[in-house]
Amino acid sequence: EAGVAQSPRYKIIEKRQSVAFWCNPISGHATLYWYQQILGQGPKLLIQFQNNGVVDDSQLPKDRFSAERLKGVDSTLKIQPAKLEDSAVYLCASSLILASGVGRGNEQFFGPGTRLTVL
Amino acid sequence: AQSVTQLGSHVSVSEGALVLLRCNYSSSVPPYLFWYVQYPNQGLQLLLKYTSAATLVKGINGFEAEFKKSETSFHLTKPSAHMSDAAEYFCAVTPNTGGFKTIFGAGTRLFVKA
Repeated sequence: EAGVAQSPRYKIIEKRQSVAFWCNPISGHATLYWYQQILGQGPKLLIQFQNNGVVDDSQLPKDRFSAERLKGVDSTLKIQPAKLEDSAVYLCASSLILASGVGRGNEQFFGPGTRLTVL
Repeated sequence: AQSVTQLGSHVSVSEGALVLLRCNYSSSVPPYLFWYVQYPNQGLQLLLKYTSAATLVKGINGFEAEFKKSETSFHLTKPSAHMSDAAEYFCAVTPNTGGFKTIFGAGTRLFVKA
């Protein structure tokens, strides 16, 4: 079974530039997550999709970050314009359909991440 | 609001020694609890999870964790450390009610000395 795919693996940009990250989840996983992991910290949820609908985007800086999941499969996360503090690893994860009860205990499968450096 | 505290950002043990990584959560209702491991330049991988079944949970690579409601804890242990256990470990919680957001702790980096 193929895992969660992310690209690119590394990206270096100047501040105020734009950048986009791509994620392809495990086939059949309805729930997709984007996390930001700053060096020395745990992952912080940016946005969570169920199929192509947003479940939670309360911590997404909407003035500069956007994400979409067309057709409920792969997803892109965009930053425009980037700031120095956006330097981090951006992790994508997926899990089986999330519903009340048992679904909350579903394992999340993570991709290798994209390391973004903003200069 | 849910929160997760991992005591100790760095833990160092000798090879063959007991590994103990601490995790405490704050929640009025016991949540779902997870331990993930992250090797350098890789994503996170599930070690084990508690989903309100047995309080002692066994995971991969010889790790286990015990859910203690009275202490709101879910500490991770391994009887004998191996060099390959050196990595970053994250405790995470997903609430049992309300929102579905998973909260991760800040992580504990485990060093294993030869």
